[in-house]
Amino acid sequence: DAGITQSPRYKITETGRQVTLMCHQTWSHSYMFWYRQDLGHGLRLIYYSAAADITDKGEVPDGYVVSRSKTENFPLTLESATRSQTSVYFCASRQEGRETQYFGPGTRLLVL
Amino acid sequence: SQQGEEDPQALSIQEGENATMNCSYKTSINNLQWYRQNSGRGLVHLILIRSNEREKHSGRLRVTLDTSKKSSSLLITASRAADTASYFCATLRGANNLFFGTGTRLTVIP
Repeated sequence: DAGITQSPRYKITETGRQVTLMCHQTWSHSYMFWYRQDLGHGLRLIYYSAAADITDKGEVPDGYVVSRSKTENFPLTLESATRSQTSVYFCASRQEGRETQYFGPGTRLLVL
Repeated sequence: SQQGEEDPQALSIQEGENATMNCSYKTSINNLQWYRQNSGRGLVHLILIRSNEREKHSGRLRVTLDTSKKSSSLLITASRAADTASYFCATLRGANNLFFGTGTRLTVIP
């Protein structure tokens, strides 16, 4: 059982480029989340999804786009990467009706 | 802005000692959760305490919640080197918005 996986684990890109971070979970959890983790800020919610084709903004959504065509996948796209988007990105999921979130291993993104 | 703030930011103790971390938050909550993050890894859920609960135990973990003071504490008893990690409190506001604090970095010296 793979649980929740993220790819790539490390990514270096340049300012202005589009980059997509992938998240895949094998539990059929209805809810999925994207967070970014920065020093001094803890984790901040970017977007979340309650089900396929249902997404909503979190605390820091600007500059990001998400989609959820399948329950198991929740990609996060930076349409035009900026240096301020250098961060560690975590995907998480949870079951409907439960409050515990399960986190992926993270993607370290460096925008030059 | 964070909903939770942990204190202290860093804590270093000897193996076998107890470790206490505190969390303060700003608004009404449905529940408060504690997570652990080992270096370079994702977060792992430890324990959840609801707003109508005052204390909860899970193994060597003890969590308290004081809603009048908007604060919570996490006690790890008889610490082990494997407990070395960062610990985060997170408060749930609404159905899906989980707000994390900046974390306490715990080092347990063997």
